[in-house]
Amino acid sequence: ILNVEQSPQSLHVQEGDSTNFTCSFPSSNFYALHWYRWETAKSPEALFVMTLNGDEKKKGRISATLNTKEGYSYLYIKGSQPEDSATYLCGGSYGGSQGNLIFGKGTKLSVKP
Amino acid sequence: GAGVSQSPSNKVTEKGKDVELRCDPISGHTALYWYRQRLGQGLEFLIYFQGNSAPDKSGLPSDRFSAERTGESVSTLTIQRTQQEDSAVYLCASSFYPDGYTEAFFGQGTRLTVV
Repeated sequence: ILNVEQSPQSLHVQEGDSTNFTCSFPSSNFYALHWYRWETAKSPEALFVMTLNGDEKKKGRISATLNTKEGYSYLYIKGSQPEDSATYLCGGSYGGSQGNLIFGKGTKLSVKP
Repeated sequence: GAGVSQSPSNKVTEKGKDVELRCDPISGHTALYWYRQRLGQGLEFLIYFQGNSAPDKSGLPSDRFSAERTGESVSTLTIQRTQQEDSAVYLCASSFYPDGYTEAFFGQGTRLTVV
């Protein structure tokens, strides 16, 4: 099983702070990198799917970048709001088991009002 | 249905009993995934059904775990002779293509408690 790592494990910020977290993944045989947001008592929901080195995606105050050569992705949240509180999951898909999604343990973000 | 549906939402079972968890994916989705999250842990891959190809079972933790999928429809995850360490939230997800590029849609999960 491939190893996708996320850091930090948890993060506490104040409303209005900007923050970012990291996903590290094996770069060989890489297909795509997925980011999901998982709010308490809800299902994980997709934020971004990125495939190309240098990809940048943005949705509102949230953006992500991808470096496939060195095997990392950053997720940025600008001006955090309490409703951003959730666990952010990153998952990688690889050749060999095409389409399989292996997730990291997630970064749990808490935004205090 | 509109989304991925899992049943039951909660299941309490006695150690040693068999349990069956069900997942109804979004209609037309060829890829289906099972994951579990034990308390304080991350999302652990169990099994992946990739359309008509053989499923990837590499994440199943023991031979007590098995899963089936009929065509592109319902999947069942069966745990035989349940143990306390099987207690977890079991999540199912589906995606339209089994290609790794298509976002996955998750169900609400089944919370399994083995007492």
